[in-house]
Amino acid sequence: KQEVTQIPAALSVPEGENLVLNCSFTDSAIYNLQWFRQDPGKGLTSLLLIQSSQREQTSGRLNASLDKSSGRSTLYIAASQPGDSATYLCAVTGYSTLTFGKGTMLLVSP
Amino acid sequence: GAVVSQHPSRVICKSGTSVKIECRSLDFQATTMFWYRQFPKQSLMLMATSNEGSKATYEQGVEKDKFLINHASLTLSTLTVTSAHPEDSSFYICSARRLAGPTDTQYFGPGTRLTVL
Repeated sequence: KQEVTQIPAALSVPEGENLVLNCSFTDSAIYNLQWFRQDPGKGLTSLLLIQSSQREQTSGRLNASLDKSSGRSTLYIAASQPGDSATYLCAVTGYSTLTFGKGTMLLVSP
Repeated sequence: GAVVSQHPSRVICKSGTSVKIECRSLDFQATTMFWYRQFPKQSLMLMATSNEGSKATYEQGVEKDKFLINHASLTLSTLTVTSAHPEDSSFYICSARRLAGPTDTQYFGPGTRLTVL
């Protein structure tokens, strides 16, 4: 059974810092990996989707990498802003199912 | 891009009543839809997989008689919480699976906040 772990569980940084969120998964037989953002009480916003054949994806200040063989992904956020404060979820797509990590709660202070 | 809607976005009901939540894929056909539940400060947990025209597959620990799922068309799945109780209060999110060539992606609805008094 696929297990997804996210480290750290919570992170608090001052505005402007570059930061890295980590995600690891136990079964490397995946179709893709996604990073989501969730604001309190809200649904999910998809940030980046990396197919299993890809190594990384970039969108603005976000960069996500995928090392399928080692079961790891990182989400890099450059020049963090208070508006980036949210919970970031990592999820992997296996055979017709999606497994989520518990998320990293990020707080960026002005 | 692909859009998935949910209705209602928020519902408050009395204990013992039944609540129906709709999940629609607006611009693509989804043979498979998924229902997730999220308790406060917890990750999303898959409840069931809904396949069009067949019975849903429920995850271990999810009562199929309590959470009725119907996937009557390629664009609509419904989740009915029967005889709801306060412990059913949660955030329910659906997703629709889109197969396009080599890619297999789930698109998520905005979620439904259920509060049972």
